[in-house]
Amino acid sequence: DAGITQSPRYKITETGRQVTLMCHQTWSHSYMFWYRQDLGHGLRLIYYSAAADITDKGEVPDGYVVSRSKTENFPLTLESATRSQTSVYFCASRNRAGSETQYFGPGTRLLVL
Amino acid sequence: GENVEQHPSTLSVQEGDSAVIKCTYSDSASNYFPWYKQELGKGPQLIIDIRSNVGEKKDQRIAVTLNKTAKHFSLHITETQPEDSAVYFCADRGPFLSNFGNEKLTFGTGTRLTIIP
Repeated sequence: DAGITQSPRYKITETGRQVTLMCHQTWSHSYMFWYRQDLGHGLRLIYYSAAADITDKGEVPDGYVVSRSKTENFPLTLESATRSQTSVYFCASRNRAGSETQYFGPGTRLLVL
Repeated sequence: GENVEQHPSTLSVQEGDSAVIKCTYSDSASNYFPWYKQELGKGPQLIIDIRSNVGEKKDQRIAVTLNKTAKHFSLHITETQPEDSAVYFCADRGPFLSNFGNEKLTFGTGTRLTIIP
């Protein structure tokens, strides 16, 4: 059971480049989330999705784009990376029914030069 | 918007002693309060949660208490062990939204707990 995976685990890019972070879950969970983790801020929600083709903004959506054409995938794109987007990005998922637990992936550490 | 404050930011505890981490929230309509543990290099993992209709919940050495009147909740770890060393995050879930319920969690800024052998 693979659970929830993220790729790449580490990424270095330059200002202005487009970057896509991938998230894949094998549980068929309805909800998926993208967070960024920065020192002093904890985890902040970027975007979330309730199902395929249903997405909504979180607390810090500016500069990010998401899509969800398939239930199991939820890619996050930085259209034109900025240094302020240097962070650790976590994807999470949870099922619609039953447990309210959000299950987190291992994270992607992104450095924007 | 919703705000969750977490204290302390760092906590060192002698092995075997208890540790307490406190969080306060601002939205009286918040109804769900999970606690996550994050080990180095890993994603956060849920360790315990509590709903707004319950005052306390225990799971072995871990307990969470909720005071709705004061709008604060606390994580209690007893008989601490070296493997309890990690960063702990509290969170809350605010009121329901119009689109598709509310799955947004607002997280505190984290507490780095160190257990001293």
